Amino acid sequence: DAGVIQSPRHEVTEMGQEVTLRCKPISGHDYLFWYRQTMMRGLELLIYFNNNVPIDDSGMPEDRFSAKMPNASFSTLKIQPSEPRDSAVYFCASSTGGGKPYEQYFGPGTRLTVT
Amino acid sequence: AQKITQTQPGMFVQEKEAVTLDCTYDTSDPSYGLFWYKQPSSGEMIFLIYQGSYDQQNATEGRYSLNFQKARKSANLVISASQLGDSAMYFCAMRVYDYKLSFGAGTTVTVRA
Repeated sequence: DAGVIQSPRHEVTEMGQEVTLRCKPISGHDYLFWYRQTMMRGLELLIYFNNNVPIDDSGMPEDRFSAKMPNASFSTLKIQPSEPRDSAVYFCASSTGGGKPYEQYFGPGTRLTVT
Repeated sequence: AQKITQTQPGMFVQEKEAVTLDCTYDTSDPSYGLFWYKQPSSGEMIFLIYQGSYDQQNATEGRYSLNFQKARKSANLVISASQLGDSAMYFCAMRVYDYKLSFGAGTTVTVRA
């Protein structure tokens, strides 16, 4: 089975540019999560969706960040305009809502560098 | 608010020996789940083991076991018979009533041959 797919794996962009990160969750999973990992702040949840609906976006740092899930098999995280402090690894994860243990399966991550 | 504390930034262990990674948590919610993830140098996050707050027995998955001490609010990970491939960063995480995971700062494990 294919795991969570993220693209691109690496992104280098200049400050002020728009960045779009993409995620395809595991088929049949109805929860999708976006995380950010930095040395300073560790792993932090940005937003999560249930059945394509955003449930909690309290971790989104500011209005420059937006996330969408137009269907069950695709989600995007957009940063506009990007800033150097946005440089991080962004992970997408998915899980099912039922059963044990609500394990979240992580994608390989997108390493974003904003210069 | 939920909080996960991992006090060991880095550890060295000899191959074939056991190592214990500490994790303490803080929550007022009686129902919660505790997770351990492994992050090797390649960067992916790999689920290792899960313990529910109402589970009567400590969780085990192969060489991984979770030493769950509810009264002390600790959920230490024990890796038995360490292998070179166990060298990685290990994260403890907790989930309460919602589906959000809160992660600790992580512990780097280096296995020596």
